[in-house]
Amino acid sequence: DADVTQTPRNRITKTGKRIMLECSQTKGHDRMYWYRQDPGLGLRLIYYSFDVKDINKGEISDGYSVSRQAQAKFSLSLESAIPNQTALYFCATSETTDYGYTFGSGTRLTVV
Amino acid sequence: EDKVVQSPLSLVVHEGDTVTLNCSYEVTNFRSLLWYKQEKKAPTFLFMLTSSGIEKKSGRLSSILDKKELFSILNITATQTGDSAVYLCASNTNAGKSTFGDGTTLTVKP
Repeated sequence: DADVTQTPRNRITKTGKRIMLECSQTKGHDRMYWYRQDPGLGLRLIYYSFDVKDINKGEISDGYSVSRQAQAKFSLSLESAIPNQTALYFCATSETTDYGYTFGSGTRLTVV
Repeated sequence: EDKVVQSPLSLVVHEGDTVTLNCSYEVTNFRSLLWYKQEKKAPTFLFMLTSSGIEKKSGRLSSILDKKELFSILNITATQTGDSAVYLCASNTNAGKSTFGDGTTLTVKP
């Protein structure tokens, strides 16, 4: 099993629908992150969490919400999907500030 | 606002060539600079640099950080087709957040 598992892998949804992307990890890390990647661009931070009771907004949090259900689970919700939220979404974990991220395989989301 | 800029945006070379990828940063509370390789989907971690002038090396890849001039380079020697990927640079802050550059797309032709 992968260290960081994202579901679904691909999703097509309609404008205005609520959708949830899920992430679970077996690394035992406290820190979890949600990023989005648009074609030709780097990763932009949506939300991050340093433990179960800690949730922080990233640079592009508008239109998104998150839930940290347990140390191992961090889900991202789009309350009312819009076409410009079409992107590749990555969940990541890290042990501390001094370690690189471990990424999930990504969720490719298309909003039509 | 924290900023990371990579250059060039894309690069095409032939097998055996040596390449240098650049990353400059403007970051408040800078802690470290990280390099990732992204082939098909998920980025994978290559290096983390925290001190100026100390080269990190892994096989044909090496990287160095200059904290005075605020940049890092990633060198790949004797390139192979398997090195074809997007290389991402990211700055890490003391608060534990990473800001990524847009990446350099490297294509290595046989």
